[in-house]
Amino acid sequence: GAGVSQSPSNKVTEKGKDVELRCDPISGHTALYWYRQSLGQGLEFLIYFQGNSAPDKSGLPSDRFSAERTGGSVSTLTIQRTQQEDSAVYLCASSSGVVPLHFGNGTRLTVT
Amino acid sequence: GQQLNQSPQSMFIQEGEDVSMNCTSSSIFNTWLWYKQDPGEGPVLLIALYKAGELTSNGRLTAQFGITRKDSFLNISASIPSDVGIYFCAGQNSGNTPLVFGKGTRLSVIA
Repeated sequence: GAGVSQSPSNKVTEKGKDVELRCDPISGHTALYWYRQSLGQGLEFLIYFQGNSAPDKSGLPSDRFSAERTGGSVSTLTIQRTQQEDSAVYLCASSSGVVPLHFGNGTRLTVT
Repeated sequence: GQQLNQSPQSMFIQEGEDVSMNCTSSSIFNTWLWYKQDPGEGPVLLIALYKAGELTSNGRLTAQFGITRKDSFLNISASIPSDVGIYFCAGQNSGNTPLVFGKGTRLSVIA
């Protein structure tokens, strides 16, 4: 497709389970970001991939969070042993440079 | 870390009125962006500013990159119902640092 695609659009999981969130960036975009948006809040930076460089993981809130980007394209955000405070919308964005960013519609994660 | 203070947090205006919102930073940014988010969707870029003092328009929207590089504002003229949504400012210090977002301004337009 022409835009950033995220899946699933909604995910409900039990506390303690692991979840994987997927992002398909716009073809050819070298930069990929993950952000988290809690209800009524702004966007919290999580992790940033730029080309073949080491990712900037400075925003990951704990070691339960990790992300990979395979082949410079698709990215997966993994949250292990989910907690209720992990409930949020997880947004992925890509860019052909550093800015501006083109966002997907997000994955709404609910941890029960 | 860097923080953006965006104000106001929310606004209720009559259709046809002009709107102004702004963002200030505790440190210098070299790029300012303004996004709009509709419910259930990701933010969509409205205006990008790359130079201090730059004033850029996109239809009824006008944004400016402050001379000090620590602030930016967004104006919407003659508001219409579809302007409803959350507006976010975002700034970036350098090419190797992540984009930092404000907490958003929630705009409601009363017809």
